Amino acid sequence: SQELEQSPQSLIVQEGKNLTINCTSSKTLYGLYWYKQKYGEGLIFLMMLQKGGEEKSHEKITAKLDEKKQQSSLHITASQPSHAGIYLCGADCNNFGNEKLTFGTGTRLTIIP
Amino acid sequence: EAGVAQSPRYKIIEKRQSVAFWCNPISGHATLYWYQQILGQGPKLLIQFQNNGVVDDSQLPKDRFSAERLKGVDSTLKIQPAKLEDSAVYLCASSSSRFVLETQYFGPGTRLLVL
Repeated sequence: SQELEQSPQSLIVQEGKNLTINCTSSKTLYGLYWYKQKYGEGLIFLMMLQKGGEEKSHEKITAKLDEKKQQSSLHITASQPSHAGIYLCGADCNNFGNEKLTFGTGTRLTIIP
Repeated sequence: EAGVAQSPRYKIIEKRQSVAFWCNPISGHATLYWYQQILGQGPKLLIQFQNNGVVDDSQLPKDRFSAERLKGVDSTLKIQPAKLEDSAVYLCASSSSRFVLETQYFGPGTRLLVL
């Protein structure tokens, strides 16, 4: 079965610093989703990547899917307190388009003022 | 556009009791998902509906969990009887189609504590 490994598990960063979160799969990623979750809340959609080498940006967050489509990274530039939360990657496992997502265990991001 | 609605937001019950969660997806979304998220883990899919039919319930513990989506709109997830290990956040998500890669939008979740 598909497994997604996220690293690091937790990250403490000073406000204004850049950071990167990684999501690695043992199998080809046909669709890779990044979500953010705050404690006690649902998942907020950030970005979806589908093609090898694809890169998307929204505000200060950039996500990339490598050419082999087995790893994705999420990069935050000039972090702010509003970026704090748990970042989850979710992947489509089987390319049937039925959106059965498998999720990683998440990366907990803390921003220190 | 209204998001995915879930209720209740929190529920505390004793083991062996029953509990039900409700979800109303985004209007027009044909596909509805229920996920279980145990503390410190990523969400795990329990069941997926396409309109009012079940697409995938392979990870649903059918001896105690049941779900329905009778009119193809809102859905109910039930646990009967609950066990301690059922303590988790239950997330509902919806998407417009299951035949192409479409974004799943999540509700706020129901946090269940079984004592």
